[in-house]
Amino acid sequence: GDSVTQMEGPVTLSEEAFLTINCTYTATGYPSLFWYVQYPGEGLQLLLKATKADDKGSNKGFEATYRKETTSFHLEKGSVQVSDSAVYFCALSNYGGSQGNLIFGKGTKLSVKP
Amino acid sequence: NAGVTQTPKFRVLKTGQSMTLLCAQDMNHEYMYWYRQDPGMGLRLIHYSVGEGTTAKGEVPDGYNVSRLKKQNFLLGLESAAPSQTSVYFCASSYPPAGVYGTGELFFGEGSRLTVL
Repeated sequence: GDSVTQMEGPVTLSEEAFLTINCTYTATGYPSLFWYVQYPGEGLQLLLKATKADDKGSNKGFEATYRKETTSFHLEKGSVQVSDSAVYFCALSNYGGSQGNLIFGKGTKLSVKP
Repeated sequence: NAGVTQTPKFRVLKTGQSMTLLCAQDMNHEYMYWYRQDPGMGLRLIHYSVGEGTTAKGEVPDGYNVSRLKKQNFLLGLESAAPSQTSVYFCASSYPPAGVYGTGELFFGEGSRLTVL
């Protein structure tokens, strides 16, 4: 079945460091890909998405490119801030599944130190 | 600006007790979902609903029941709580269904932390 694998955490960076969180997927057909973010004590919220190969999603300085050839959707940010400390979830949705259920990765916790 | 509201936010139960988690959304969304979040497991879908009066099983439905009597509310019930149901529960809603038309945006509540002793 469809699945998402993301890098294990936690990831600890200094402020202004470059961030990469790896995400790879397994799916038939042409899934849509997403990154969700969960700040401490809150629910998840959509960070960015891409719906077809070579699309780049971007938001709040974060970017991810849908790479069908490597089945990847890595999250990047050029200069992280303390306020980016959160748990990041990669997810996919494959039309034809159970009414739009998203399949989530296990999450990667990011801590940014001043 | 309420969005998705879950009650209660915290609850401690003894094994065998029952309880209901309430989820309410004010966005007129057709689709609603209950997830549980456990350390190292990510989010797993328990049950979902594609409209008023309908429910369906997700990935981990055993031990839970749900009802969607009104469009804006989605209830999650535990009839006989077990320690394995200790978790953080998230309700979410969307329209259209997450991912079908590429929107993929689920709107989440803040979560309900349940401890079963």
